Amino acid sequence: GAGVSQSPSNKVTEKGKDVELRCDPISGHTALYWYRQSLGQGLEFLIYFQGNSAPDKSGLPSDRFSAERTGGSVSTLTIQRTQQEDSAVYLCASSLAYNQPQHFGDGTRLSIL
Amino acid sequence: QQQVKQSPQSLIVQKGGISIINCAYENTAFDYFPWYQQFPGKGPALLIAIRPDVSEKKEGRFTISFNKSAKQFSLHIMDSQPGDSATYFCAAGAGNNRKLIWGLGTSLAVNP
Repeated sequence: GAGVSQSPSNKVTEKGKDVELRCDPISGHTALYWYRQSLGQGLEFLIYFQGNSAPDKSGLPSDRFSAERTGGSVSTLTIQRTQQEDSAVYLCASSLAYNQPQHFGDGTRLSIL
Repeated sequence: QQQVKQSPQSLIVQKGGISIINCAYENTAFDYFPWYQQFPGKGPALLIAIRPDVSEKKEGRFTISFNKSAKQFSLHIMDSQPGDSATYFCAAGAGNNRKLIWGLGTSLAVNP
């Protein structure tokens, strides 16, 4: 389909391991966002990419979290030395531009044992 | 500090009734107010959005009412249907990246 694609859909890992989550935005969308959805906590902004501009990393909760966007398309969110409090659904969204509606993928459900 | 406060947390409505969800915000810099619908296991899907220069916007059975002076906005779902049963989120965005600040969601159940 032509929507935002995220992989894997589910990830279970042991505490202390590193994980990589992938997001394929809608083709042509220049803006890309990562959010975290914890149970009962709503969605929390993590990071924003727009074209070749420096990303807005203001929402990243710690230096264990990082993200990159290669070639202005695919993005990877990396969590190092995972902790149990990192368990959540990680959602990616893209939009044509910053002032256009954000379209979400179905997320990656991350469980830290 | 919750910048966008959403209520109620859950709502039960009979088929054909009106569902009303309210949100209040604090930051006057917000200039974009979307509502999203989320089904279990799926990502949020945009329902309708409003900007502060408009007091009301209607799309089909969904209406946003916006009160700038009170810093409040609400979603009305007319003729609610069982298929509307989902979690609804309000959000607010501002600035040159429009990162969204979200309410905590309202779980809506529409009884047949």
